[in-house]
Amino acid sequence: QVQLVQSGAEVKKPGASVKVSCKTSGYTFTGFYLHWVRQAPGQGLEWMGWVYPNSGATFYAQRFHGRVTLTSDTSSSTVYMELSRLQYDDTAVYYCARDVGLGNYILDFWGLGTLVTVSS
Amino acid sequence: SYELTQPLSVSAALGQTARIPCGGSDLGSRSVHWYQQRPGQAPILVIYRSKHRPSGIPERFSGSNSGNTATLTISRVQAEDEADYYCQVWATTGVFGTGTRVTVL
Repeated sequence: QVQLVQSGAEVKKPGASVKVSCKTSGYTFTGFYLHWVRQAPGQGLEWMGWVYPNSGATFYAQRFHGRVTLTSDTSSSTVYMELSRLQYDDTAVYYCARDVGLGNYILDFWGLGTLVTVSS
Repeated sequence: SYELTQPLSVSAALGQTARIPCGGSDLGSRSVHWYQQRPGQAPILVIYRSKHRPSGIPERFSGSNSGNTATLTISRVQAEDEADYYCQVWATTGVFGTGTRVTVL
């Protein structure tokens, strides 16, 4: 069965970077886009971008451009989300989610989320 | 930038029907997807391409989309349907609606 297993919670200081992993299994890793979505405490969902593991292609939401980097490792079927220059309002749960295909933006399987807390 | 607007809350009595609207400019020309998020859990896809149900989603979940409004309808509402619901589209970027809390009375 499809599984997306994310890395554990992180606490970072303002200005630092964080890298969250999402290890996938149960399907052909290179055949699907992986998206990242975040959710600040008590707030709604916010789409961040996607990575296509087959080629390494990426696409980012404008507001994260220059701060977020999505990468993939085909040898371990894992995708990574790195967010730099963290601010307090980056405190959120970060989710990885599989696209049903190539750029459909239909997210059919989700990881459980990784809480990133930005605190001094 | 494109925006999707949802009411903060919708309530329905147990066994009745809950309708959750999602508004956006010319939304009927777009493919809308809906997610359910129970407290403390990850979202789950409940409707895709405006009206299609993924396998495992109960038939009481249905969707429609016309004009400027897409609607998620939950018929015969159950206690387990109490959750937040988000609409979502692709509009040169991924866009989520503001979210609606469904309360079962």
